[in-house]
Amino acid sequence: EAGVAQSPRYKIIEKRQSVAFWCNPISGHATLYWYQQILGQGPKLLIQFQNNGVVDDSQLPKDRFSAERLKGVDSTLKIQPAKLEDSAVYLCASSLDRAGEVYGYTFGSGTRLTVV
Amino acid sequence: AQKVTQAQTEISVVEKEDVTLDCVYETRDTTYYLFWYKQPPSGELVFLIRRNSFDEQNEISGRYSWNFQKSTSSFNFTITASQVVDSAVYFCALFTGGGNKLTFGTGTQLKVEL
Repeated sequence: EAGVAQSPRYKIIEKRQSVAFWCNPISGHATLYWYQQILGQGPKLLIQFQNNGVVDDSQLPKDRFSAERLKGVDSTLKIQPAKLEDSAVYLCASSLDRAGEVYGYTFGSGTRLTVV
Repeated sequence: AQKVTQAQTEISVVEKEDVTLDCVYETRDTTYYLFWYKQPPSGELVFLIRRNSFDEQNEISGRYSWNFQKSTSSFNFTITASQVVDSAVYFCALFTGGGNKLTFGTGTQLKVEL
């Protein structure tokens, strides 16, 4: 079974620039998550999709972050404009069940973003 | 509100030593799930175990074992005869229906040296 694919692996941008990350979940997984992991901290949920609908985006800074999951498969997370504090690893995960409580989550390798 | 505390920021051991990683959780829900994940230097989070709140049986998987105690709200993880390949950051996480999301602790960096 192919895992969760993410790209790019690394990205360095200047503050106020825009950036986009892509995620392809495991085939058949209806639920997709974006997590932000700042260095030295645990991952924090940014947004959760069930198919192509948003389930939870309460911790997404909506003034600068946006995400979409067209057709309920791939997803894109965008930051515009980026700030220094957005430097982090952005992890995508997917799960077979509604919230991952039974089958768990499968994580991608993440995109490491550095804002300078 | 739900919370996961991993008080140990970093642990260093010599290969073949046993090591226990602590995890304390807080939740008001009676139904919840606890997880442990391993994050090697490559960055991906690798699932190790899931335990639901109604199953307090301890579990052993090879060199790994988990001790779940509801009375102390703890879900500790022990690696027996540690190896260099065990070096990673280990995260404990909590899922509750009330929160409907996975909440992670801050992680414990384990370094196993020769």
